[in-house]
Amino acid sequence: EVQLLESGGGLVQPGGSLRLSCAASGFTFRSYAMTWVRQAPGKGLEWVSSISGNSGSTYYADSVKGRFTISRDNSKNTLSLQMNSLRAEDTAIYYCAKDVVVVPAAGDWFDSWGQGTLVTVSS
Amino acid sequence: DIQMTQSPSSLSASVGDRVTIACRASQSISSYLNWYQQKPGKAPKVLIYAASSLQSGVPSRFSGSGSGTDFTLTINTLQPEDFATYYCQQTYNQVSFGGGTKVEIK
Repeated sequence: EVQLLESGGGLVQPGGSLRLSCAASGFTFRSYAMTWVRQAPGKGLEWVSSISGNSGSTYYADSVKGRFTISRDNSKNTLSLQMNSLRAEDTAIYYCAKDVVVVPAAGDWFDSWGQGTLVTVSS
Repeated sequence: DIQMTQSPSSLSASVGDRVTIACRASQSISSYLNWYQQKPGKAPKVLIYAASSLQSGVPSRFSGSGSGTDFTLTINTLQPEDFATYYCQQTYNQVSFGGGTKVEIK
């Protein structure tokens, strides 16, 4: 059974940094791209970032480009999101999701999701 | 960027009803359109991928259709557990989601 467990969320001041992690199990981690999706309180889903199975390709939404960095450690089955220069509008539940392909491409979808970790950016 | 527009944003329906949710892309996305269901406090769950393919384990009362810019999610014989928010997602060019459609009990 695929399991994704996010951690690292919390309260941070504007301009601060936070590192999220997602521990994966139940599948061959290196064989699948992974993605972060966020959801602001009471709002819809927003794609944040994706990374290919071998970390060779990374993708970012314009709203986080230059501030967030996605990475993965295939030896530890762990996905990470380093978030810098945080803003109030980054406040959201952050979900990690498993892609169905090894490199994000047209036709991809997300077949497993974690339960999310809440990030609150406020002074 | 490809914009995804869902309609309606919310609807009220009764158990046993047939429900249809529309999703329109700002440009052609071929059939690279997926549908997710999200219940309060839970993570999203994929229902339909590639516009019309039913994800394993999803009840057959859910169906999807469309291609190009216009897509539809249909729920036949609405069940109590189907009251949720539904999102469309395109993966033709990067990833973007529609704004969601909340299906509420009438």
